[in-house]
Amino acid sequence: DGGITQSPKYLFRKEGQNVTLSCEQNLNHDAMYWYRQDPGQGLRLIYYSQIVNDFQKGDIAEGYSVSREKKESFPLTVTSAQKNPTAFYLCASKGSDREKLFFGSGTQLSVL
Amino acid sequence: DQQVKQNSPSLSVQEGRISILNCDYTNSMFDYFLWYKKYPAEGPTFLISISSIKDKNEDGRFTVFLNKSAKHLSLHIVPSQPGDSAVYFCAAPKYSSASKIIFGSGTRLSIRP
Repeated sequence: DGGITQSPKYLFRKEGQNVTLSCEQNLNHDAMYWYRQDPGQGLRLIYYSQIVNDFQKGDIAEGYSVSREKKESFPLTVTSAQKNPTAFYLCASKGSDREKLFFGSGTQLSVL
Repeated sequence: DQQVKQNSPSLSVQEGRISILNCDYTNSMFDYFLWYKKYPAEGPTFLISISSIKDKNEDGRFTVFLNKSAKHLSLHIVPSQPGDSAVYFCAAPKYSSASKIIFGSGTRLSIRP
């Protein structure tokens, strides 16, 4: 089945720790995205990548880093500089169908 | 300023009646809008879209209306069903950077028996 796989589903971070959220897609999509959702709020764009080896900051990139070494993979690292990391993180991809995003099932990150 | 706004955080509708979810946008240069549906602890799924060259798009029980002069769009669901209970987001690609897709804050729709 084609789709987007995010792992893990739940993740806990200790103070000062970096954690990496995985996102893999087998839809052959060029563009990939990371969004953050806080309770009662919409989706805010963290980073996006339109092509391999290229990515751009979204609206709330501070405290996060990404890489795009392969078309299928777009991991997100939540660094210790992100002071409020508790949120639901969503990865998405987009193909040629205009602006239509396909989302993974999300990762809930919490701070211990 | 490029924003999409959903000013109603929640809506309760009786099963079988019409649900109307609203979205406003700030930039008249937006030319494409999408609606997504999201269940708890899951990723959003695409529901329906509309281009700014149209004022209506229909797909089964779902219809989206676009009023460009008012910078307003609405999603109509009729008849509403229990499975429609979810959070609905409107979204639009940013003008000048179409790869950046921005979302409203969402409206939680509850369908009561």
